[in-house]
Amino acid sequence: DQQVKQNSPSLSVQEGRISILNCDYTNSMFDYFLWYKKYPAEGPTFLISISSIKDKNEDGRFTVFLNKSAKHLSLHIVPSQPGDSAVYFCAAREGGSYIPTFGRGTSLIVHP
Amino acid sequence: NAGVTQTPKFQVLKTGQSMTLQCAQDMNHNSMYWYRQDPGMGLRLIYYSASEGTTDKGEVPNGYNVSRLNKREFSLRLESAAPSQTSVYFCASRLFPGQGTYEQYFGPGTRLTVT
Repeated sequence: DQQVKQNSPSLSVQEGRISILNCDYTNSMFDYFLWYKKYPAEGPTFLISISSIKDKNEDGRFTVFLNKSAKHLSLHIVPSQPGDSAVYFCAAREGGSYIPTFGRGTSLIVHP
Repeated sequence: NAGVTQTPKFQVLKTGQSMTLQCAQDMNHNSMYWYRQDPGMGLRLIYYSASEGTTDKGEVPNGYNVSRLNKREFSLRLESAAPSQTSVYFCASRLFPGQGTYEQYFGPGTRLTVT
C-alpha cells in the first residue's frame, strides 16, 4: 500500500514551458514533504521541501505547492530547461520519524 | 568535503557469494540509511541507523545485515547473494532528527548484479 504516489511515470515538456510534477499521499500524519532530483548513474539530490504549516515554498525556478485537504503536492519548474531532465522523487515524513517515505518517481524529459 | 562515498561502484556476484558494501560520510551526520532502487519501485529502505550504536530494519531487510562501524561508516552485507538482490544500492545520511530541514544526502550508488 503506497502512502506516497506519483501517478505519472513520465512527463515530457518543451524547453521554456512549465513542468508540473504531482504527488499524492494518504497518511494524514505526514508533516514534511521533500522533492529529490536524480540523474542517471548518480544518487538523488535534495531539491526543495515544504512543511505542512505552509502551502507554498519557492526557490528560484522551483516552487512546491501543498494542498493538505486534497493530500496533494506539486512541483512546478518554470521555465523548464534541458538540464532539468531527470527523475524526480517525492518524499514525505511523519512527525517524529527518522524515515521518509518515497514515491516511485516521475521521469521528466525537457526537449530543446 | 566528499559528502557520502560508496564502494564499490559496480559489482558482479554469483548466487551464494557474499559481499559488503561500504559507505562513509564526512559531514558529521548522525543518521545513516541504506536503500535499494529497482525499476518502477522507487527507493526502498533496507536498514537505517538513527545514531551511532543503533540499527533498525526498514521495508525490505531480508537477506541483508548492517553494521554501524562508527559515526562515519555504515556497511551493508549480503551473506548469500540471490538474483533478486540485483539492484542499485544507495547509502544516505542525515544530520539529526529535529534539526535542519530533514533532507538526506545520498552517495553515488553501487550497481550490483547477481547471476
